[in-house]
Amino acid sequence: SYELTQPPSVSVSPGQTARITCSGDALPKQYAYWYQQKPGQAPVLVIYKDSERPSGIPERFSGSSSGTTVTLTISGVQAEDEADYYCQSADSSGTYPSVVFGGGTKLTVL
Amino acid sequence: EVQLVESGGGLVKPGGSLRLSCAASGFTFSNAWMSWVRQAPGKGLEWVGRIKSKTDGGTTDYAAPVKGRFTISRDDSKNTLYLQMNSLKTEDTAVYYCTTDGGRWGDAFDIWGQGTMVTVSS
Repeated sequence: SYELTQPPSVSVSPGQTARITCSGDALPKQYAYWYQQKPGQAPVLVIYKDSERPSGIPERFSGSSSGTTVTLTISGVQAEDEADYYCQSADSSGTYPSVVFGGGTKLTVL
Repeated sequence: EVQLVESGGGLVKPGGSLRLSCAASGFTFSNAWMSWVRQAPGKGLEWVGRIKSKTDGGTTDYAAPVKGRFTISRDDSKNTLYLQMNSLKTEDTAVYYCTTDGGRWGDAFDIWGQGTMVTVSS
C-alpha cells in the first residue's frame, strides 16, 4: 500500500526555521496537505495544495514541493508551534480511491 | 458558527457494534463530502472512509482495514453523519473524528469535530 514518510521528530530553538519533510512516490501527481495537532485537540489544516495557506494561518507557515518530497517550513518558530504535524495526500494506487496520512512529526521547540 | 459534534463513543466488547453520529451546523451539510478519520492512542491519523454528497452520487469509499465492517451514511434532513461499526476489533480502539472532505481548500479535511473515543476491550 502507498505510504507517506515523515521524520518522527524535529527540534528547533525559538526564532529558527523548522523544516518537516514528507516523501511519497505519488506526490509529483497528487497534492499534499499539512495538519497541525496539539495534545488533546483536533487537527488543524495549515497548508493545502502543497503550498497554499488557508485564511487565519500565520504567514510563517509555508509549503513547497520538489519531486517526490513536500516540505512544511515554519519560519521564526514560536513556542506555540510545538505540535505534531501530519502530511496527507490522495492514494490512487489501489482499486478504490483512498486517502493516506504520513506517520506524523513531533516538532519540539527547545 | 461552523461546527461538527461527534457522539456515540464508548466501551464495547470485541465483536460488538457501535454507531457514531456527527451533527453539523453553520454550513450547507447536504453539499459537503464528509469523512471519518481515527487516531489510536499515541498513534497517528488514519482515514476511515468518506461519503460524497447526494448530488455527487452519495457513494462511499472505505479504508482497507474497515471495509466490509464499517458503513458510513448521512441524513441531510438532520444534518447528521453516521458511522456504523460492526465486528469491532481491539485495533479499532481510537478517537474518531468527523471532518468535511474538500471544499474551500481543495481536497483538504477542513472542519473537524472534537472527536469521540471508542474503546474495544473485553
